[in-house]
Amino acid sequence: GENVEQHPSTLSVQEGDSAVIKCTYSDSASNYFPWYKQELGKGPQLIIDIRSNVGEKKDQRIAVTLNKTAKHFSLHITETQPEDSAVYFCAAILTGGGNKLTFGTGTQLKVEL
Amino acid sequence: DSGVTQTPKHLITATGQRVTLRCSPRSGDLSVYWYQQSLDQGLQFLIQYYNGEERAKGNILERFSAQQFPDLHSELNLSSLELGDSALYFCASSSLGEMAGELFFGEGSRLTVL
Repeated sequence: GENVEQHPSTLSVQEGDSAVIKCTYSDSASNYFPWYKQELGKGPQLIIDIRSNVGEKKDQRIAVTLNKTAKHFSLHITETQPEDSAVYFCAAILTGGGNKLTFGTGTQLKVEL
Repeated sequence: DSGVTQTPKHLITATGQRVTLRCSPRSGDLSVYWYQQSLDQGLQFLIQYYNGEERAKGNILERFSAQQFPDLHSELNLSSLELGDSALYFCASSSLGEMAGELFFGEGSRLTVL
């Protein structure tokens, strides 16, 4: 079936290093790819999104890249800080059975001092 | 604060029981979405309502139902509860009828079925 796969499930980096999270999707018709950050005890919050008409988007220390041919997209966080520690979810609109925003399984990012 | 309010925050009940979770969307948002978050399955889309009408359906069990009222708040009803229904249930809202835009999530309702 249509799904979104996300890797790694856990990621530990040193403060100041970069972190990369990767996702693949199955639906070639997908055209919207958001990333959400979920802090402990809170709901997910959108941090960046990209649409299929661009290959890269940046917002300060975070960036997302999209490769539509390979059907994968990635989140890049540079100069990581302790407050970046959270669970990150990628998502994609999957069109099978109606457009639905489908989430990956999440990546627990830990930024160590 | 996302502007989405969910009640109750925590709920403990027994197998076989029925519960109702409530969601108030952000002011002006017409769409409400329900997601289930469990440890092993991440965020699973259950159902979407737009301006009172069901818009999209995900992997929602027949024991679960939802509705959106004229004032746009929504309720998710879970019946004949099983241990496996224990999870965090999130409500989200958006101004769009389609999902290709920012969803604003509440802080969730944690359901524990004993």
